[in-house]
Amino acid sequence: GAGVSQSPRYKVTKRGQDVALRCDPISGHVSLYWYRQALGQGPEFLTYFNYEAQQDKSGLPNDRFSAERPEGSISTLTIQRTEQRDSAMYRCASSSNRGGLNTEAFFGQGTRLTVV
Amino acid sequence: AQSVTQLGSHVSVSEGALVLLRCNYSSSVPPYLFWYVQYPNQGLQLLLKYTTGATLVKGINGFEAEFKKSETSFHLTKPSAHMSDAAEYFCAVSSTGGGNKLTFGTGTQLKVEL
Repeated sequence: GAGVSQSPRYKVTKRGQDVALRCDPISGHVSLYWYRQALGQGPEFLTYFNYEAQQDKSGLPNDRFSAERPEGSISTLTIQRTEQRDSAMYRCASSSNRGGLNTEAFFGQGTRLTVV
Repeated sequence: AQSVTQLGSHVSVSEGALVLLRCNYSSSVPPYLFWYVQYPNQGLQLLLKYTTGATLVKGINGFEAEFKKSETSFHLTKPSAHMSDAAEYFCAVSSTGGGNKLTFGTGTQLKVEL
């Protein structure tokens, strides 16, 4: 697509429910990143993929959080048994190579998750 | 471990005045440094980046930043503010070879007044 697309843009869910957030990167981009941004804070790294391989998941806060990118394109971030502290903006970014710093990471508009 | 400190969560300038947004970093390895801008309801957009070479980096929309290793700083400047510059600005650091795994600061909201 023309840019990184995230869906849904807004998600309100009840505590204890599972949610799945989707990221559709720019076509052909190899690397895909997930970040979380709490209100008043900067984005915080969660995990990233090169193609379908998850390269680093050190930022996932606990085992309720998981991500996949099975075909090396679209990625899903899943949060199980959501808690109020999970409320944040979830941002996805993609870049055209294997994370080399000479390429720019393009960010989507994010998914605003609210857990009530 | 790496970290970024942005001094001033809110900065207000008059249109036509100098813009100065401060960023200090901490890194145990040579850093790669970035400034991103976020307009309302939009994704983060890269303004400029420093990897190696020239320490004065020019970006889009007339912004520039200077890497000062001795001061561990990467302040963002623009000689003359425009109303359209009103946005939130984030400084970020990445380690060599760390790809786009970025550590962001908490952001500075820039307000431009007539």
